Amino acid sequence: QVTLKESGPGILQPSQTLSLTCTFSGFSLSTYGMGVGWIRQPSGKGLEWLANIWWDDDKYYNPSLKNRLTISKDTSNNQAFLKITNVDTADTATYYCARIRGELDYWGQGVMVTVSS
Amino acid sequence: DVVMTQTPVSLSLAIGQPASISCKSSQSLLGTSGKTFLNWILQRPGQSPKRLIYQVSKLYSEVPDRFSGSGSETEFTLKISRVEAEDLGVYYCWQGTHFPLTFGSGTKLEIK
Repeated sequence: QVTLKESGPGILQPSQTLSLTCTFSGFSLSTYGMGVGWIRQPSGKGLEWLANIWWDDDKYYNPSLKNRLTISKDTSNNQAFLKITNVDTADTATYYCARIRGELDYWGQGVMVTVSS
Repeated sequence: DVVMTQTPVSLSLAIGQPASISCKSSQSLLGTSGKTFLNWILQRPGQSPKRLIYQVSKLYSEVPDRFSGSGSETEFTLKISRVEAEDLGVYYCWQGTHFPLTFGSGTKLEIK
């Protein structure tokens, strides 16, 4: 059974760095072809893809967030991470991680993040 | 970026009625591999997205066969043969052929 669960700080202030963790089970990021992606959704709005990381440590980022994103993984502990630097109120959203096996197939429950002064 | 345009924005249907959602992309989604990475997901109220269809028309194993997907290149359709109560929510198409991955703006299905 594949499960993913996101965790994060809940609330942070503008200009801080947002650190998110995706803890998963039912698959391994050391398996050929496997990956994890991050997607976010502001309240009541649509979905925005942020970044992917694959078993071989290949990474793809959404250029719209320029150089603010860093994705990484800890294969031994079945975790993936996303950092977003210099956050502002526009980064307020629910953040999801999802398994990649060809496509984003299984999604986590999401974690709400609020950026507020 | 590939723009994904979904219509209609919302649907209000009675149980048992058919549903059809259109998704159009600003570029062809046919990849160099010969595969078309057009997918559909459903987000029920208060829940995270759930997978429905991948590569245009392939249903995930847990998805009822009243769902079907079709299309090619830039025009795609999700159909539900007979809507059931559990089908309510927002349907999104998304493409995985070109980076960045992009999503449609969603179609909200309400049950009358």
